[in-house]
Amino acid sequence: QQQVKQSPQSLIVQKGGISIINCAYENTAFDYFPWYQQFPGKGPALLIAIRPDVSEKKEGRFTISFNKSAKQFSLHIMDSQPGDSATYFCAASISSGGYQKVTFGIGTKLQVIP
Amino acid sequence: NAGVTQTPKFRVLKTGQSMTLLCAQDMNHEYMYWYRQDPGMGLRLIHYSVGEGTTAKGEVPDGYNVSRLKKQNFLLGLESAAPSQTSVYFCASSYPRASGNTGELFFGEGSRLTVL
Repeated sequence: QQQVKQSPQSLIVQKGGISIINCAYENTAFDYFPWYQQFPGKGPALLIAIRPDVSEKKEGRFTISFNKSAKQFSLHIMDSQPGDSATYFCAASISSGGYQKVTFGIGTKLQVIP
Repeated sequence: NAGVTQTPKFRVLKTGQSMTLLCAQDMNHEYMYWYRQDPGMGLRLIHYSVGEGTTAKGEVPDGYNVSRLKKQNFLLGLESAAPSQTSVYFCASSYPRASGNTGELFFGEGSRLTVL
């Protein structure tokens, strides 16, 4: 049972375009939604994250939009660059006594072409 | 700081062989995790540890064992490797998610395991 559904699995965007990756979750107990970025041959690294009491968070060219009622959130990459080519994972986590259970989406492989 | 270091980076095993993956972190993190990454499956939690001497099962624990004898180390063992365990394994560590701390996961660079 996939608790965090991510789409698309792959995405090709022209340089300067907008990349959009969507995620949906089922468990309303999730209380933190991070996005991780993974370059080939490397481990994932935290890119940006949002809490459910906020509808949007922006850091540079990266923006998370969060719709609590629809249980959906998305990552927008403005002015996409070839250096953004990577795999992006959305995630949702529940905290219990300090320990957090993190559930990842299946990942989106983004390719930004010049 | 090295962060999270995994060894070995690559390994080829025959079915039935055993091996241990080592993870070491130098950030004094309480929590450590082992994930596996497979195409179309994302990252799935195998086992985790909330402190030295403690371990717990994650989403896909079957066929794996773990130990956390020292705070900085987390070992993942395969007693009898199977082709289904061919994967890329990632170790991660974090502080507890508490006020002022997001519980960000810090990942190693991965260990690619092939079981023939």
